[in-house]
Amino acid sequence: KNQVEQSPQSLIILEGKNCTLQCNYTVSPFSNLRWYKQDTGRGPVSLTIMTFSENTKSNGRYTATLDADTKQSSLHITASQLSDSASYICVVVRSGGSYIPTFGRGTSLIVHP
Amino acid sequence: NAGVMQNPRHLVRRRGQEARLRCSPMKGHSHVYWYRQLPEEGLKFMVYLQKENIIDESGMPKERFSAEFPKEGPSILRIQQVVRGDSAAYFCASSPGVDNGYTFGSGTRLTVV
Repeated sequence: KNQVEQSPQSLIILEGKNCTLQCNYTVSPFSNLRWYKQDTGRGPVSLTIMTFSENTKSNGRYTATLDADTKQSSLHITASQLSDSASYICVVVRSGGSYIPTFGRGTSLIVHP
Repeated sequence: NAGVMQNPRHLVRRRGQEARLRCSPMKGHSHVYWYRQLPEEGLKFMVYLQKENIIDESGMPKERFSAEFPKEGPSILRIQQVVRGDSAAYFCASSPGVDNGYTFGSGTRLTVV
């Protein structure tokens, strides 16, 4: 079964600290993996997209890694800000067919001042 | 270039009524995806449409739910005879092509009373 599991489910950190969110998947065959940020009451916004051959990609203070062999990805947030408080969703797209993505449940991040 | 527009933002329906959710994709995007998000849950794929065609409806309940994306006008997700369990946030995403990155709308929050 194609699944995407994220951990931790929720995380609280202090402003300025770094954190790392994890994503494990069983989706196969693999096309690409995406990280989204979803603010409360809003739609998800794309942070990074990685294909099989990419093992790291950065977007400002966000750095995503991908190990396609172990089917794991991480999202590292550096020098967190209050505005980073949101849900971070890992999405894996299966290749072939209609390329429908599988969404993880997300990690809820709260950044405290 | 406006983003993906969904309306209404909030919709309240009594049990047994019909709900119509509208999604106008970004200009130049001919692929539309509908997702449902229950509280504390991840986004679940419902249906994938291109202009005038349903490509994949594997995530949409067979009863009471239907979707269309006409040649002119927005995509419509229609829920007939709504029940309390239909209460959720419904998100639409559009893309210019298959597996080409998605842009999400802000969602429609349906409450069935």
